[in-house]
Amino acid sequence: QQQVKQSPQSLIVQKGGISIINCAYENTAFDYFPWYQQFPGKGPALLIAIRPDVSEKKEGRFTISFNKSAKQFSLHIMDSQPGDSATYFCAASVSGATNKLIFGTGTLLAVQP
Amino acid sequence: GAVVSQHPSRVICKSGTSVKIECRSLDFQATTMFWYRQFPKQSLMLMATSNEGSKATYEQGVEKDKFLINHASLTLSTLTVTSAHPEDSSFYICSARAGAPKVGAFFGQGTRLTVV
Repeated sequence: QQQVKQSPQSLIVQKGGISIINCAYENTAFDYFPWYQQFPGKGPALLIAIRPDVSEKKEGRFTISFNKSAKQFSLHIMDSQPGDSATYFCAASVSGATNKLIFGTGTLLAVQP
Repeated sequence: GAVVSQHPSRVICKSGTSVKIECRSLDFQATTMFWYRQFPKQSLMLMATSNEGSKATYEQGVEKDKFLINHASLTLSTLTVTSAHPEDSSFYICSARAGAPKVGAFFGQGTRLTVV
């Protein structure tokens, strides 16, 4: 129940295209859903996050869509660029004493020029 | 976002020695920090939750005597890998939770540990 399932495992997108990564969870107590971007040899960087009281959040080219009833959320990267090539992780946590994040398995995105 | 600094970024040590990794929150105070381990092409595995002024909480399967965590101040947590062995070679990453207005969990740059 603590798992966060992420798909696809890898994704190839043409420059200018839309990259879509999906995540699903079981624990209905999760109330914070961030997305992280990680380049090789670096720590993850927080991209965008959402709470379940909204269905969509947009920051620049990055959008999170959230479906509470389906227990799914997704990251859309509009106008994908080669510089977006990285590994993306979704995560979830429960607000509270520890707030520990449960991570998805990651998606390796390659944006071809 | 908030800044978390991790040091060193790379370390090579001999088998049997101990290695200390530092994690600092530079522009905010963190009562809770987290330590992760990441194997190549895999996700982040939470090792332990570090609480300022109290004992760390370890995840199941993580040896607390091998991975010593100290969180002596609101801006510093350390992870010491004791009696390191080649199987401890990995990428270790810390994170700290920031409160308002910098809400979220922010990660350090990671430490590549190689035990030879």
